[in-house]
Amino acid sequence: DAGVIQSPRHEVTEMGQEVTLRCKPISGHNSLFWYRQTMMRGLELLIYFNNNVPIDDSGMPEDRFSAKMPNASFSTLKIQPSEPRDSAVYFCASSHLRADFLYEQYFGPGTRLTVT
Amino acid sequence: GIQVEQSPPDLILQEGANSTLRCNFSDSVNNLQWFHQNPWGQLINLFYIPSGTKQNGRLSATTVATERYSLLYISSSQTTDSGVYFCAVRSSNDYKLSFGAGTTVTVRA
Repeated sequence: DAGVIQSPRHEVTEMGQEVTLRCKPISGHNSLFWYRQTMMRGLELLIYFNNNVPIDDSGMPEDRFSAKMPNASFSTLKIQPSEPRDSAVYFCASSHLRADFLYEQYFGPGTRLTVT
Repeated sequence: GIQVEQSPPDLILQEGANSTLRCNFSDSVNNLQWFHQNPWGQLINLFYIPSGTKQNGRLSATTVATERYSLLYISSSQTTDSGVYFCAVRSSNDYKLSFGAGTTVTVRA
């Protein structure tokens, strides 16, 4: 398996621009997570999908952030408009959530976002 | 939420040395993972170990769930072991992984 795939790997954009990050989870996994990592706050969970449905988006920092999962093999995280404080590494992770809640989570390589 | 504490925060090793990293957690868990974040930023799964002991090459891990801690052992360390080691746990009936702050390991040649 190719693992979790994210694109782009690096993104540099100017303040006010729209940014779209993409994720392809591991085939067969039914859960998808978006995280953000910064030096100050460490790894933060932004949103969690199960069977393509957003279950918990309480970690999304504000309305400028939105995420979609139109099908089991694709998700996007969009920031509009972007701000310098959004600069971070954004990770996508996937897992197969079993009925007994046991699962192992796998991370993609991340997208390093820089907003100038 | 569940609290995860990792120690030590930083560790400097000479190549070939052995070390032990610790992860304490504040509540019962049914999921515990160890990750290695390499200098390129990638998060690599090391162990899925809610209980018991596992070994993978020079790395091994032990989780004592009843006492709420896990240990990661690195033997005969190599420079490629450098990076940040994260412990992440999830309590029963929850989907969220709670991460510790990590242990930064630097292995010198």
